[in-house]
Amino acid sequence: EIVLTQSPATLSVSPGERATLSCRASQSINNNLAWYIQKPGQAPRLLIYGSTARATGIPARFSGAGSETEFTLTISSLQSEDFGVYYCQQYDDWPPYTFGQGTKLEIK
Amino acid sequence: EVQLVESGGGLVQPGGSLRLSCAASGFSFSRYHMTWVRQIPGKGLEWVSSIGDNSEYTYYADSVRGRFTISRDDAKKSAYLQMNNLRAGDTALYYCVAAAVGGTVFDYWGQGMVVTVSS
Repeated sequence: EIVLTQSPATLSVSPGERATLSCRASQSINNNLAWYIQKPGQAPRLLIYGSTARATGIPARFSGAGSETEFTLTISSLQSEDFGVYYCQQYDDWPPYTFGQGTKLEIK
Repeated sequence: EVQLVESGGGLVQPGGSLRLSCAASGFSFSRYHMTWVRQIPGKGLEWVSSIGDNSEYTYYADSVRGRFTISRDDAKKSAYLQMNNLRAGDTALYYCVAAAVGGTVFDYWGQGMVVTVSS
């Protein structure tokens, strides 16, 4: 089973600033990684797939990068609606699909 | 508008059974792979089970294999999760998820259904 480790656990950033979240895989997953955001009381929402492709309706301030075992999600200028918990998910070697433990992005 | 609406959750005693249903609308249901993901309150996401389009495959997490059964009815645009021999550790919010792109990326999520296993 592929283990995904996200860092940091919590990230405090001011609106308008840049945020960078990391996800590391226990073995190569090529570029088969997705990112989701979950806001309090809501279901997760797909942001990025294929490591770099934005899902429908996701603004350009969200960008994904990486391959093999190291991945990042960057939000170039944080808006109030961007705060929440971010999860990465691998779909290179499944079943099982696996998720990272999440990074909480909070307002500084 | 895409909608996934779960039903069938609730409180059940250990060893009991529940059947979750997921009614879909707003997309071509038969072309999508369907998945159940659960989340213990305050914790992360755990994949539970997936079924392919045309029911070409069914997969289960080790923690539920032999106790849970996933199915779908394309005519009713619905997916199901039959949960038997429930344990306290199955207590969670269960999300119904639709995945295109080979069934691997979770495009659409329902709002979730609470399942509580307790005596």
